[in-house]
Amino acid sequence: GAGVSQSPSNKVTEKGKDVELRCDPISGHTALYWYRQSLGQGLEFLIYFQGNSAPDKSGLPSDRFSAERTGGSVSTLTIQRTQQEDSAVYLCASSLARRGSDEQFFGPGTRLTVL
Amino acid sequence: GEDVEQSLFLSVREGDSSVINCTYTDSSSTYLYWYKQEPGAGLQLLTYIFSNMDMKQDQRLTVLLNKKDKHLSLRIADTQTGDSAIYFCAESRGNGGFKTIFGAGTRLFVKA
Repeated sequence: GAGVSQSPSNKVTEKGKDVELRCDPISGHTALYWYRQSLGQGLEFLIYFQGNSAPDKSGLPSDRFSAERTGGSVSTLTIQRTQQEDSAVYLCASSLARRGSDEQFFGPGTRLTVL
Repeated sequence: GEDVEQSLFLSVREGDSSVINCTYTDSSSTYLYWYKQEPGAGLQLLTYIFSNMDMKQDQRLTVLLNKKDKHLSLRIADTQTGDSAIYFCAESRGNGGFKTIFGAGTRLFVKA
């Protein structure tokens, strides 16, 4: 698989439950991003991992949201005690983070529905 | 902090030109990008421009950059119904250590 993959593709959960969303970036890409896309809200930055640097968590909307990136590869976005307003498509992207133009490659997203 | 802004919606008639505008605040921006998201799909890079250029043309697409005003635009000539999508403006410093900043996206509607 040459592209960014995300799982699951769809997740339906009940309010108050925890969920984990997974992202497998392109091999060799040192930068990894999580975004949230809500209807009418556009693309919202959540968190950014770059190599071994401390992640940029400035976009996380609350302390219920957290993310990890293990071994510089796979990343997991965790949402605790989900709320209905967390319903959205969660997108992951990766890039080479090289000098110059740096194209991000996006996964297909995980559609989260909180009932 | 850095910010990228664009209007949320644009509606044009088939055959007309579409112009999608974007403004950004980071004066250190080196690369400006346009990404396209078709319905039900992920974002894909459409084109980009380096900050020392003021125009880039690629078939029906023309990118204009006014670095002084920090204004970027994407012009689509002879817009087709297949161009209906969300278009995202983004900027980066190009040195690999800073994250790319995206706008919220402009939804283009093309009426037949």
